[in-house]
Amino acid sequence: TQTVSQSDAHVTVFEGDSVELRCNYSYGGSIYLSWYIQHHGHGLQFLLKYYSGNPVVQGVNGFEAEFSKSDSSFHLRKASVHWSDSAVYFCAVRGTGGYKVVFGSGTRLLVSP
Amino acid sequence: GALVYQYPRRTICKSGTSMRMECQAVGFQATSVAWYRQSPQKTFELIALSTVNSAIKYEQNFTQEKFPISHPNLSFSSMTVLNAYLEDRGLYLCGARRDWGNQDTQYFGPGTRLLVL
Repeated sequence: TQTVSQSDAHVTVFEGDSVELRCNYSYGGSIYLSWYIQHHGHGLQFLLKYYSGNPVVQGVNGFEAEFSKSDSSFHLRKASVHWSDSAVYFCAVRGTGGYKVVFGSGTRLLVSP
Repeated sequence: GALVYQYPRRTICKSGTSMRMECQAVGFQATSVAWYRQSPQKTFELIALSTVNSAIKYEQNFTQEKFPISHPNLSFSSMTVLNAYLEDRGLYLCGARRDWGNQDTQYFGPGTRLLVL
């Protein structure tokens, strides 16, 4: 069974701060790990994906995520956030060759000016 | 580039009526289409997975009788919410899978937001 856990429901930081949004997963096999962003009232926007190779993947708007097999984690980071980064962030996992994407519960990021 | 369109973006229907939503993959052939629902303040749940020329597979708590899906070709899928009630409100997301090389990517549409009165 695939599970995705995002331990922080809410994260609040100031503009210019760095931020890390946590994601842990459980899956017995080869997987794709992704992060998506959902601005208020909108659909999902793709940020980045990991499949293999370099465990640190770069995404759009300065986001990056690091895969750790030993920790079963795929945390999302940004060195300096902007107020427009305020949104809900979803971590997702899908087995390679599979079709079902399992989403975490989401982390609401609030960036204060 | 690969894009997924959904129509309508927002819709309102009266309780007990039905509402059809569409999903169009542009720029690629989708080997499968998955429909998800995000209820208010919740995450995304898979409703069903549709692969062309295969039976549509519904997740637990979702049925064909309630959410019939049509997937006639590799670029288009539609889903109807029959007899909609308050608990059916939310954002319905379509995800279309594109296979390329030894990898595949799932692209999501912007969603259809359903409000039930």
